[in-house]
Amino acid sequence: DTGVSQDPRHKITKRGQNVTFRCDPISEHNRLYWYRQTLGQGPEFLTYFQNEAQLEKSRLLSDRFSAERPKGSFSTLEIQRTEQGDSAMYLCASSPGLDGEKLFFGSGTQLSVL
Amino acid sequence: GNSVTQMEGPVTLSEEAFLTINCTYTATGYPSLFWYVQYPGEGLQLLLKATKADDKGSNKGFEATYRKETTSFHLEKGSVQVSDSAVYFCALSVPGGANSKLTFGKGITLSVRP
Repeated sequence: DTGVSQDPRHKITKRGQNVTFRCDPISEHNRLYWYRQTLGQGPEFLTYFQNEAQLEKSRLLSDRFSAERPKGSFSTLEIQRTEQGDSAMYLCASSPGLDGEKLFFGSGTQLSVL
Repeated sequence: GNSVTQMEGPVTLSEEAFLTINCTYTATGYPSLFWYVQYPGEGLQLLLKATKADDKGSNKGFEATYRKETTSFHLEKGSVQVSDSAVYFCALSVPGGANSKLTFGKGITLSVRP
């Protein structure tokens, strides 16, 4: 069990650029979640995958955001035309697929939009 | 909708002091309740959980009891250590839905002085 890994750890970009983050969940976990955390706030749910199917998206996920999980393994989160308000820590979590279960979180990708 | 309210922080204590961090929730149905902890430079990790009323979760000397009548899940520890310095998040998930997404409180920073 190598844990959930996210890449990159930090990303600095200019407003208007596109960015993509990657998450590798724990290998046998079929559920994958993306969260966003801003300073002084708790993580906020963005989207959820069951295997390769994206089953739920938060209203926070504007049309500039897109997430994929091809083949039900790793996942990517892309932000197009970044805005300063997108600056946040983006967290990925995975779980094996039982109700009331714990989530395993990665260390996150810190995005700074200048 | 579902929400979690945590007491305002930060909290600074001396080593061996008693700790209480308050958490109350609003949820539809019967949620599972969690405390997650984020140590400096690390990802979120589960500290303890309780899945039904009157359950007590415990780990590493921390305890929290699921109180349905007061919709609370306060975190306590009898004697804190410097190594307990971290950010603590209360969270809930509502079982029986399509996934186990978590709704988090804002978090509270605990600093323990030697």
